[in-house]
Amino acid sequence: AAGVIQSPRHLIKEKRETATLKCYPIPRHDTVYWYQQGPGQDPQFLISFYEKMQSDKGSIPDRFSAQQFSDYHSELNMSSLELGDSALYFCASSLNVETSGRISTDTQYFGPGTRLTVL
Amino acid sequence: AQKVTQAQTEISVVEKEDVTLDCVYETRDTTYYLFWYKQPPSGELVFLIRRNSFDEQNEISGRYSWNFQKSTSSFNFTITASQVVDSAVYFCALSEYRGNQFYFGTGTSLTVIP
Repeated sequence: AAGVIQSPRHLIKEKRETATLKCYPIPRHDTVYWYQQGPGQDPQFLISFYEKMQSDKGSIPDRFSAQQFSDYHSELNMSSLELGDSALYFCASSLNVETSGRISTDTQYFGPGTRLTVL
Repeated sequence: AQKVTQAQTEISVVEKEDVTLDCVYETRDTTYYLFWYKQPPSGELVFLIRRNSFDEQNEISGRYSWNFQKSTSSFNFTITASQVVDSAVYFCALSEYRGNQFYFGTGTSLTVIP
């Protein structure tokens, strides 16, 4: 079965540079989530998109932005990188159902992650 | 406040022993979802189980079993006859009906010694 695809798998950047991470959800999944996992930490929710609209926002820094495109893939753009941005970035996707204006949460399937190292 | 608590930071067991990983959660929602994910040394997050708040039936899948107790807000995970391949960090997660983000616990690192 097709899984969530993330690219690149590894990325090395210098401080103050920019980075773009890409996520291709499982086919027919309409919701994408981004998480940041620091060394020895649990994944922290950054942001999510449902049907190409931002649906929830977590602890995403102002230097980061994200969007979901018409083909449902998503990109996380990171600018003015700092050493503390070094982490494993996960994308997850799910198929959610909207009922009475609320999104019913389904299982999130995670990609393999992108390991970002900022030097 | 931490919505999901995994009090056990690290656990070591000898192969073939049973081990239970604890998870306690906190939510005001009456509808919510609980999950367990496994993160092996390779780093990916592998989905293990999803349980909604209306289904307190315990589940068994091979050597894995889960005990959901709403009365104590716990969703514990037991591995029977542990194997070296079970060595990983295990995360418990909560998703509330009002939003669709996951709240992860801090994880329990399980080491199975041959």
